[in-house]
Amino acid sequence: QVQLVQSGAEVKKPGASVKLSCKASGYTFINNYMHWVRQVPGQGLEWVGMIYPRDGSTSYPQKFRGRVTMTSDTSTSTIYMELSRLTSEDTAMYYCARDSYAFDVWGQGTMVTVSS
Amino acid sequence: DIVMTQTPLSSLVTLGQPASISCRSSQSLVHSDGNTYLSWLQQRPGQPPRLLIYMVSNRFSGVPDRFSGSGAGTDFTLRISRVEAEDVGVYYCMQATQPTWSFGPGTKVEIK
Repeated sequence: QVQLVQSGAEVKKPGASVKLSCKASGYTFINNYMHWVRQVPGQGLEWVGMIYPRDGSTSYPQKFRGRVTMTSDTSTSTIYMELSRLTSEDTAMYYCARDSYAFDVWGQGTMVTVSS
Repeated sequence: DIVMTQTPLSSLVTLGQPASISCRSSQSLVHSDGNTYLSWLQQRPGQPPRLLIYMVSNRFSGVPDRFSGSGAGTDFTLRISRVEAEDVGVYYCMQATQPTWSFGPGTKVEIK
């Protein structure tokens, strides 16, 4: 079955960077856009960006440009998201999701806590 | 950027009764390919979001038929024909028509 498995929880200090992973299985990895979405505790969903594994193209909202980098490794069917210059406002659950007309498959989420 | 709004933000519903959530976008969601990429997601407490409806009115695999979606242009609706206890959670509309993706603020559905 189609599955997205994310890396484990992270605790980082302000100013540091974090790199999360999301491993896909059960489908042809390069065929679908992949997204990262975050959710601050108790709040709504926020789109962080997109990567197309077939050619590595990316799209980020203005809010995260210059601070987020998304990459993919087709040999392991894994996408990565690196977020730099972390602040306490980046404390959130981060989800990866597959795009097939909509976000049809989601990872289990990775909690990132930014604290001094 | 397209801004998504939802009403109500909170809904108390009696078991077995219908529920309806409205979603409005700041611009038309009709894509250049003619499709409208408006979807609805359900998020139960402590879980990742789950796709319910895609492209306005298409029920995703495994979604009960008590869920339905409708609308066009900038106005969309999610309906639950008879609310069940397992429907408690937060519902988000989401647009993917433009080069950026965005979500509504969410509607919390609780049982009376």
